[in-house]
Amino acid sequence: GAVVSQHPSWVICKSGTSVKIECRSLDFQATTMFWYRQFPKQSLMLMATSNEGSKATYEQGVEKDKFLINHASLTLSTLTVTSAHPEDSSFYICSARIDENSPLHFGNGTRLTVT
Amino acid sequence: EDQVTQSPEALRLQEGESSSLNCSYTVSGLRGLFWYRQDPGKGPEFLFTLYSAGEEKEKERLKATLTKKESFLHITAPKPEDSATYLCAVCHSGGSNYKLTFGKGTLLTVNP
Repeated sequence: GAVVSQHPSWVICKSGTSVKIECRSLDFQATTMFWYRQFPKQSLMLMATSNEGSKATYEQGVEKDKFLINHASLTLSTLTVTSAHPEDSSFYICSARIDENSPLHFGNGTRLTVT
Repeated sequence: EDQVTQSPEALRLQEGESSSLNCSYTVSGLRGLFWYRQDPGKGPEFLFTLYSAGEEKEKERLKATLTKKESFLHITAPKPEDSATYLCAVCHSGGSNYKLTFGKGTLLTVNP
């Protein structure tokens, strides 16, 4: 149980375009999902907390207008990188939990390359 | 500043050579310490949660222990398939319920 699916697994886009990444909890409902970014040989850095039916909570330094998060249902959260630039190239990973007493389970990540 | 430090950054072992990975933390109000395994190009896979000093958890060749300042992930008689990056993360009262602070990980390579 507790499977989190993320799509696409990799994407290459041109500078200035927007990219949408989907995160689904397959066998449980998640009122809260979390979006992380990971640079090579670095820690996972929390970008934002996605709340079903309400606005996302962004971490300090993360531009909410650039990284749009929508949590439209209890099983789906999306992250849209708008007007992507090469410096946005990174590994984006979503996570979710069954309940407050459960650990986070992660998707397999999305490798974004902006050319 | 809350910190999670993992050591060593990289570790090479021969198959069957047991060793330990370290995760030291300086946070206030620890609510849980988590170990994850991450394979290249994949998301982290949950291994263990530890909540209080003295607690131990085991799974196959892995055993995690926790003190007030650090956690160890002991690997007994490792196999090549244990090669991965092992991540430590702490959940603490300084943040929201599941706001985890991750270490940079230890890259483990087990040679046959």
